[in-house]
Amino acid sequence: DAGVIQSPRHEVTEMGQEVTLRCKPISGHNSLFWYRQTMMRGLELLIYFNNNVPIDDSGMPEDRFSAKMPNASFSTLKIQPSEPRDSAVYFCASRFGLAGDNEQFFGPGTRLTVL
Amino acid sequence: AQSVTQLGSHVSVSEGALVLLRCNYSSSVPPYLFWYVQYPNQGLQLLLKYTTGATLVKGINGFEAEFKKSETSFHLTKPSAHMSDAAEYFCAVSDRSSGDKLTFGTGTRLAVRP
Repeated sequence: DAGVIQSPRHEVTEMGQEVTLRCKPISGHNSLFWYRQTMMRGLELLIYFNNNVPIDDSGMPEDRFSAKMPNASFSTLKIQPSEPRDSAVYFCASRFGLAGDNEQFFGPGTRLTVL
Repeated sequence: AQSVTQLGSHVSVSEGALVLLRCNYSSSVPPYLFWYVQYPNQGLQLLLKYTTGATLVKGINGFEAEFKKSETSFHLTKPSAHMSDAAEYFCAVSDRSSGDKLTFGTGTRLAVRP
C-alpha cells in the first residue's frame, strides 16, 4: 500500500495567491482529516470527512479556507487568498471505519510558505 | 471537552537510559489514548494505543505505555534509549463525546545523547 499521498510536498507562493493542497487517502478508508502544524499552535484539526461528507469544520480558520472531498479517493484543501500567517505544514490523514479507536494514518505533509 | 497535557516540551537522555515521556488527559467518558511519533520532515506514525482491556500497552520499537485511570495518565516509556529514538512524540486522546476526533498534545521533543 502506498499510504496517504499528499501533493505538492512543498509550496512557495506569494500573498494573495490561491493555494490548493491535495490528498489521496488509503484505499478503503472511510474518514479523512486535514491538520495544520505550526510551532506556535502545534497540531490543529481543520476539518474531517466521514464517507466523503464533511462532519466538523470548526477548526477551519476563516472563510479563506475551504475543503472538498468529491469522492472516496481524493480531497483538496484550498486557501484563497493566502496570507503569510498561513505558512505551516499541512497534513492529511485517513482512517478505516468511523470509530475513534482506530488508527489515523498520516501523509508526509505539505510545507506551505506564503511570502 | 477532551484535552491532553504533555509535561516537558524537550527531554534529553543518554543512549541506553530510560525514556519517560509524560501525558495526562482529560475526558468526560472513557478515552481512547494514542502515542504518535514524528521524525524530521515526516508525518506522524502510530507507536501504540489504548482502547479497552489491558492497561499496559506495548508498541513498536520497544515502547510501552500504561493507562492509569486514577491518575488520568498515559505515560510513554522505553527501558533503553537508542539514537534512532530521537524524534517528537505526541500524545492524543479521542472519545465518543467529541465525535471521535483526535486531540493532540503539544508534543515532546526527545534528544538522545551518545
